[in-house]
Amino acid sequence: EVQLVESGGGLVQPGGSLRLSCAASGFTFSSYWMHWVRQAPGKGLVWVSRIDGDGSSKNYADSVGGRFTISRDNAKNTLYLQMNSLRAEDTAVYYCARPHPYSSSLAGWWGQGTLVTVSS
Amino acid sequence: EIVLTQSPATLSLSPGERATLSCRASQSVSSYLAWYQQKPGQAPRLLIYDVSNRATGIPARFSGSGSGTDFTLTISSLEPEDFAVYYCQQRYNWPLTFGGGTKVEIK
Repeated sequence: EVQLVESGGGLVQPGGSLRLSCAASGFTFSSYWMHWVRQAPGKGLVWVSRIDGDGSSKNYADSVGGRFTISRDNAKNTLYLQMNSLRAEDTAVYYCARPHPYSSSLAGWWGQGTLVTVSS
Repeated sequence: EIVLTQSPATLSLSPGERATLSCRASQSVSSYLAWYQQKPGQAPRLLIYDVSNRATGIPARFSGSGSGTDFTLTISSLEPEDFAVYYCQQRYNWPLTFGGGTKVEIK
């Protein structure tokens, strides 16, 4: 069974940093692109970043480019999101997602999410 | 960036009624359009991909149609568990984008 468990969220001041983790199990982690998607309180879904199976290809939304870094450790079956220079508008639940087998750009499995609150 | 506009924002219906949700893209996304369902406090769930293909375990009352820039999700007869927010998503190009969502609420 595919399982994704995010951690690392919390309260951080504007300008601060946070690293999110997503522990994956139940599938061959290194074979899949992985994604981060966020959802501000009461708002819609926004794709944040994605990374290919060996970590060589990465994409970011314009709103986080230059501040966030996606990475993965295939030996630990773990996905990361390093978030620097955080802003109030980064406040959201952050989900990691594994693609559906049909396409690497469809989110077939989701974690439960971890809440990041940026506030002084 | 491809903008997806969903309408209506809220749909008030009774169980057993038919729900028709719309998603319009700012440019053609070919057939690379998916739909997700999200219930309060839960992560989204993939319902339909590439316009009309139901994901594993999705009931046949959910169907999708459309092409290019105009797409529709239809729920033929609403069950109590179908009241939720629905998002469309394009995978035509990066950044992958979602629509703003349609909330289907109980009338």
